[in-house]
Amino acid sequence: AQSVTQLDSQVPVFEEAPVELRCNYSSSVSVYLFWYVQYPNQGLQLLLKYLSGSTLVKGINGFEAEFNKSQTSFHLRKPSVHISDTAEYFCAVSDTGAGNKLTFGGGTRVLVKP
Amino acid sequence: DAGITQSPRHKVTETGTPVTLRCHQTENHRYMYWYRQDPGHGLRLIHYSYGVKDTDKGEVSDGYSVSRSKTEDFLLTLESATSSQTSVYFCAISYQRLAGVDNEQFFGPGTRLTVL
Repeated sequence: AQSVTQLDSQVPVFEEAPVELRCNYSSSVSVYLFWYVQYPNQGLQLLLKYLSGSTLVKGINGFEAEFNKSQTSFHLRKPSVHISDTAEYFCAVSDTGAGNKLTFGGGTRVLVKP
Repeated sequence: DAGITQSPRHKVTETGTPVTLRCHQTENHRYMYWYRQDPGHGLRLIHYSYGVKDTDKGEVSDGYSVSRSKTEDFLLTLESATSSQTSVYFCAISYQRLAGVDNEQFFGPGTRLTVL
């Protein structure tokens, strides 16, 4: 079984400032890692994913995340946020077997202020 | 965008009534999932399906049942709705790939269910 902890439930940030959203996971097996974004009143959209290879993963809208196996972390970053980045962000893991079942963290709500 | 629709999009019902939510896909993907979203809990898996008539329980399956008689449709039923089942329900799909190649799930727009 896996679990995911998103350490911040809310992150206020000013426009054009950097932001980091923290995600830690626990698992006894190898995992795939994901970040999803949910804009108000919408479904979830994939930002980026780590399957294997380079530990620095680049996604859509200027986001990137770094997989750190020793610290079991997968933190999400963006160097300069826009008002349109206001949304809720979810970190998720799945095992590498068949079935693709995702385990989600509790979410981090990002509010970008002008 | 993946072709996933959910119906209804909003529903208000009373405690004790049966409710069925429908997820429909046009992608012919093998795997389908039902999640519920509640504040502070993220999304939690209710049930999933790995093929027609093949389903299994997720972490919060009590009070829910599912059926999949066709590849494109996955139904979630609350046999007797309770107030604790007030939530936003999301359907997701994924295509089968070789392990290690890809593992992405695509989500529908959600159904907001209120049980009074």
